[in-house]
Amino acid sequence: GEDVEQSLFLSVREGDSSVINCTYTDSSSTYLYWYKQEPGAGLQLLTYIFSNMDMKQDQRLTVLLNKKDKHLSLRIADTQTGDSAIYFCAESNYGQNFVFGPGTRLSVLP
Amino acid sequence: SAVISQKPSRDICQRGTSLTIQCQVDSQVTMMFWYRQQPGQSLTLIATANQGSEATYESGFVIDKFPISRPNLTFSTLTVSNMSPEDSSIYLCSGGTGGGKTEAFFGQGTRLTVV
Repeated sequence: GEDVEQSLFLSVREGDSSVINCTYTDSSSTYLYWYKQEPGAGLQLLTYIFSNMDMKQDQRLTVLLNKKDKHLSLRIADTQTGDSAIYFCAESNYGQNFVFGPGTRLSVLP
Repeated sequence: SAVISQKPSRDICQRGTSLTIQCQVDSQVTMMFWYRQQPGQSLTLIATANQGSEATYESGFVIDKFPISRPNLTFSTLTVSNMSPEDSSIYLCSGGTGGGKTEAFFGQGTRLTVV
């Protein structure tokens, strides 16, 4: 079946850039997503990218997609302590059959 | 974006009892989903809630244990039946329009502890 993989932990210093990586196996994925989950909360959709795009930028967030390698990354510029959370990569086929990665726990150190 | 509200936000329940979780969306959505997130884990899809018909369950989940209703396009319920401590999890409702507009939005989750 489809699989989405992420590294489980990432630590960065406040003000640095964070890069969270994700790989997926389903070549029929049409949309790829990044969600943020803060402690005790649900999932917040940060951004998503259509599979025919290479890059999407939204303020401090930059998403890069390498469809050939099935690799997705999320870059957070000027990382702040409020960015500390778990970040989930997910893929879907036209909004159905969502598959989530295990989540990357981002810790921002002062 | 759709705003999704879940009730209750958390509960502590006795084993053998049942809990019904409600999910309300502020706009009509085509797709509604129920997920389980066990402690420290990612999300696992339980089922797709279908309006006016039986939900579509994923492998490992059955209607007798997780009955789901979806009477209209903005509301769904998930019942966790005959609970055991292994059912302690966060249960998340999600809604999306599917098709060309493919964001899926989540409720804040229901944190269930079974004692």
